[in-house]
Amino acid sequence: GAVVSQHPSWVICKSGTSVKIECRSLDFQATTMFWYRQFPKQSLMLMATSNEGSKATYEQGVEKDKFLINHASLTLSTLTVTSAHPEDSSFYICSADASRIQETQYFGPGTRLLVL
Amino acid sequence: AQTVTQSQPEMSVQEAETVTLSCTYDTSESNYYLFWYKQPPSRQMILVIRQEAYKQQNATENRFSVNFQKAAKSFSLKISDSQLGDTAMYFCAFIGDSNYQLIWGAGTKLIIKP
Repeated sequence: GAVVSQHPSWVICKSGTSVKIECRSLDFQATTMFWYRQFPKQSLMLMATSNEGSKATYEQGVEKDKFLINHASLTLSTLTVTSAHPEDSSFYICSADASRIQETQYFGPGTRLLVL
Repeated sequence: AQTVTQSQPEMSVQEAETVTLSCTYDTSESNYYLFWYKQPPSRQMILVIRQEAYKQQNATENRFSVNFQKAAKSFSLKISDSQLGDTAMYFCAFIGDSNYQLIWGAGTKLIIKP
């Protein structure tokens, strides 16, 4: 149980294009999902908290117009990197809160984004 | 401020040995949760073990166990009978009752040698 999928796993795009990453909780409902970015040899950096049916909460320094988050259902959140540039190249990971009581986040397998 | 500290950037042990990864944290919250996550080369973040601060009993999951010392704010992970598949980055993380945000340690790279 508590499986989270992420799609695509790999994406290469040209500078200036937009990229959408999907995060799905497969066997549970997640009222809250999280989007992280991970730089090489570092721990995860929280970008934003996504709540179903409401606007995402962005961490300081994260451009909300650059990283659009939509959480349309209890099992799906999407992150769109708009007008991507090479500095946006990174590893993006989502997680879903399986149960508010357990306070546990389960993670997707991540998406490697390379912007040329 | 809440912080999580992992003082061992890298460790290596022989297969079948026991290894302990250290983690300390700082918080003023009375109720919180502590986690160890494993990130193998695939980069999939996998939950290893979880401890609720209000529980005195140390959590165990098969070969993985923790030594939770609440007064000392210490949360170490012991891996018994280590296996090659245990090679990974291990992250200690904390979450308090007051918010949803996981606070992460810097990670420990664990290498199991054959």
